[in-house]
Amino acid sequence: DTGVSQDPRHKITKRGQNVTFRCDPISEHNRLYWYRQTLGQGPEFLTYFQNEAQLEKSRLLSDRFSAERPKGSFSTLEIQRTEQGDSAMYLCASSPTLNTGELFFGEGSRLTVL
Amino acid sequence: AQSVTQLGSHVSVSEGALVLLRCNYSSSVPPYLFWYVQYPNQGLQLLLKYTSAATLVKGINGFEAEFKKSETSFHLTKPSAHMSDAAEYFCAVSGGSNYKLTFGKGTLLTVNP
Repeated sequence: DTGVSQDPRHKITKRGQNVTFRCDPISEHNRLYWYRQTLGQGPEFLTYFQNEAQLEKSRLLSDRFSAERPKGSFSTLEIQRTEQGDSAMYLCASSPTLNTGELFFGEGSRLTVL
Repeated sequence: AQSVTQLGSHVSVSEGALVLLRCNYSSSVPPYLFWYVQYPNQGLQLLLKYTSAATLVKGINGFEAEFKKSETSFHLTKPSAHMSDAAEYFCAVSGGSNYKLTFGKGTLLTVNP
């Protein structure tokens, strides 16, 4: 069990550029979540996958954001035409289908938009 | 709908003193409740969880929390603070079929020597 892995850990980009983050969940976990955390705030839910199906999206996930989980394994979160307000830590978490709600978090991908 | 309120964005204690971090929740279904800890530039690590078994829950690193339904509270305590406890602590509530967590805004714990 290597834990939840996220890549890259840090990304600095210019406003208007596209960025993509990758998350590799714990191998036997069917559920995968993306959260966003800004300075001084708790993590905010963005979206949730059960296997390859995206079952819930937050209103925070604007049209510039898209998430995928092909084949129910790793997931990607893409942000198009980045804005300075997108600067945040993007956290991925996974959990097994039958559990008591505990999520296992990766170390996050920090995005800075200049 | 679920929500969490953490009272006090910053708590400062002396090493060896009692740690008390406050959390109140709101949930329309029987909740699962969690405390997570986050060290700088790292992800979240589970400290402890309440899942409708014992109301007093013991976690890692000497922390414990008590679920009080009548007060809708789940406060986190540790009898004696250690310098290594300095971190940000998040209370979270889970409910519904997708088990997503709703977090509070966090409490930054500072431990003074």
